[in-house]
Amino acid sequence: EDQVTQSPEALRLQEGESSSLNCSYTVSGLRGLFWYRQDPGKGPEFLFTLYSAGEEKEKERLKATLTKKESFLHITAPKPEDSATYLCAVQTMQGAQKLVFGQGTRLTINP
Amino acid sequence: ETGVTQTPRHLVMGMTNKKSLKCEQHLGHNAMYWYKQSAKKPLELMFVYNFKEQTENNSVPSRFSPECPNSSHLFLHLHTLQPEDSALYLCASSLFRTSGTGELFFGEGSRLTVL
Repeated sequence: EDQVTQSPEALRLQEGESSSLNCSYTVSGLRGLFWYRQDPGKGPEFLFTLYSAGEEKEKERLKATLTKKESFLHITAPKPEDSATYLCAVQTMQGAQKLVFGQGTRLTINP
Repeated sequence: ETGVTQTPRHLVMGMTNKKSLKCEQHLGHNAMYWYKQSAKKPLELMFVYNFKEQTENNSVPSRFSPECPNSSHLFLHLHTLQPEDSALYLCASSLFRTSGTGELFFGEGSRLTVL
């Protein structure tokens, strides 16, 4: 069964304190891995798609990386507005339209 | 209007009521989805529509009835729901190709409370 596990469940950082969020996956064949940001009471907002091991993508203070077993979302010098829940999802070769989501990491950046 | 729009944003209903959630996408996509988001649980896929045709029903109880009249509109008809159906219901759309689907774009969600 395809599984996605995100850690930690919650993370509190001081403004400017860099860290990483982890997304581990077990799938029969990976088509793509997606990162989303979700603010309270809102729908998920698309951030990145990664397709193959070694791939990296960046957007402002965020950088996503992918290996054959996990993905990391690195946050460099975060600001309070980066506070949100970050969701990871995988799309498999068998389920071309099915995204399997992890439970998310709730990130809080204190000023 | 842009993106994916969902109405209503909040809905409170009794177990015997019938109501509908509406979703509209302005992105020119050809696939639409319903997801359920409950507290402390990952997003769960409910239904998938490609070019108005339902291609996936993820073992959803019949008290949830989807309708997709065209590629831009999606409805979720609700009847005789249970309190455990209280959740955030998210609509999404994507561009589906034979090689698979790209990223999904989500609406703001409809927060449903069943009394």
